[in-house]
Amino acid sequence: DAGVTQSPTHLIKTRGQQVTLRCSPKSGHDTVSWYQQALGQGPQFIFQYYEEEERQRGNFPDRFSGHQFPNYSSELNVNALLLGDSALYLCASSQSDRGNRNEQFFGPGTRLTVL
Amino acid sequence: AQSVTQPDIHITVSEGASLELRCNYSYGATPYLFWYVQSPGQGLQLLLKYFSGDTLVQGIKGFEAEFKRSQSSFNLRKPSVHWSDAAEYFCAVGDMNTGFQKLVFGTGTRLLVSP
Repeated sequence: DAGVTQSPTHLIKTRGQQVTLRCSPKSGHDTVSWYQQALGQGPQFIFQYYEEEERQRGNFPDRFSGHQFPNYSSELNVNALLLGDSALYLCASSQSDRGNRNEQFFGPGTRLTVL
Repeated sequence: AQSVTQPDIHITVSEGASLELRCNYSYGATPYLFWYVQSPGQGLQLLLKYFSGDTLVQGIKGFEAEFKRSQSSFNLRKPSVHWSDAAEYFCAVGDMNTGFQKLVFGTGTRLLVSP
């Protein structure tokens, strides 16, 4: 059983460019959350997708957007990249039918470097 | 707002010695609490979780944690540390205020294991 997978592993972009990161959830999971982990910090919640809709969002600007597909996979898009967007981007999946006690499983992350 | 504090940025422990990593949380209701471990360049692996019931929870790799409501703490312990335990450890609280769970992480504690 494959766990959460993310692509690409590493990415280098320049300021002002746009980037798309991809995530495939663990088998049987229908909810995907994205987190940003800056160097030396804990992960920070960006947003969560369920039934192809964003259902809650953290304190991130509109430059950060996402999408969830019918097969539950998800994309994170960041426009007009800033140097401060350099971070490890983590995807986590979970099962909605477990209610409050859903456990989030994390992927290995995508390391984004903005030059 | 919900928050998690990990007061120790770095901890060095001799191999075979016991370990305790501190975590304090701020949350208005009964918290869901988690400990994750992150090896260099990797995603997050769940060590253990607390939802309710017995306040001493057992996890993987010989770790345990104790929930103390009176102290708003959820400290992680291991009786005998192995060199392979060297990693970054994150405490997190599940924020259900919006009805959907997101994780709020502390800033992490880096564990170094000396021979």
